[in-house]
Amino acid sequence: NAGVMQNPRHLVRRRGQEARLRCSPMKGHSHVYWYRQLPEEGLKFMVYLQKENIIDESGMPKERFSAEFPKEGPSILRIQQVVRGDSAAYFCASSPQGADGYTFGSGTRLTVV
Amino acid sequence: RKEVEQDPGPFNVPEGATVAFNCTYSNSASQSFFWYRQDCRKEPKLLMSVYSSGNEDGRFTAQLNRASQYISLLIRDSKLSDSATYLCVVESSGGSYIPTFGRGTSLIVHP
Repeated sequence: NAGVMQNPRHLVRRRGQEARLRCSPMKGHSHVYWYRQLPEEGLKFMVYLQKENIIDESGMPKERFSAEFPKEGPSILRIQQVVRGDSAAYFCASSPQGADGYTFGSGTRLTVV
Repeated sequence: RKEVEQDPGPFNVPEGATVAFNCTYSNSASQSFFWYRQDCRKEPKLLMSVYSSGNEDGRFTAQLNRASQYISLLIRDSKLSDSATYLCVVESSGGSYIPTFGRGTSLIVHP
């Protein structure tokens, strides 16, 4: 019974490249949340998705960032034209309907050089 | 005012000590509350949910005070392995249920 799977664990991109972060929720979980954590900072909510729907993207920067959770396959967080300030740990969490708590993946650490 | 506020610490305590953390939240419509633990460079892990009646799990006790809009976590008989950052999480219903995290309180338990 695999937990929340995120890949890659580490991702290095040059400024201007695209970063794609993947998250496979736990089996039976239909809700996915993406968070960003800067060094010495807290977890900042980015986006909440259910299958094929973006429920709340109030934490997403207006430009360069997008997310999807297709009917088949993992949820994808996409960052276009990365800048140094995008360097952070990106965590995905999932929950079933009516959850009592959220399960996190081990995160993707993005470094922009 | 931030939605969820915690004293960042660090709280530096000896083994065996009792330590308590508080967390305040601003949205009176908040419905669900949790404490998570995060070790350095690791993902957050659920420690316990916080219920109106309070709840206890071994050495850990969580309390909710809706009138004053705060939750607390009490750790008794601290162990070295309790050293971590403790995150307060508040889930509010503003159309969609979004778990909002505090910045965390750092606990260091020393021999």
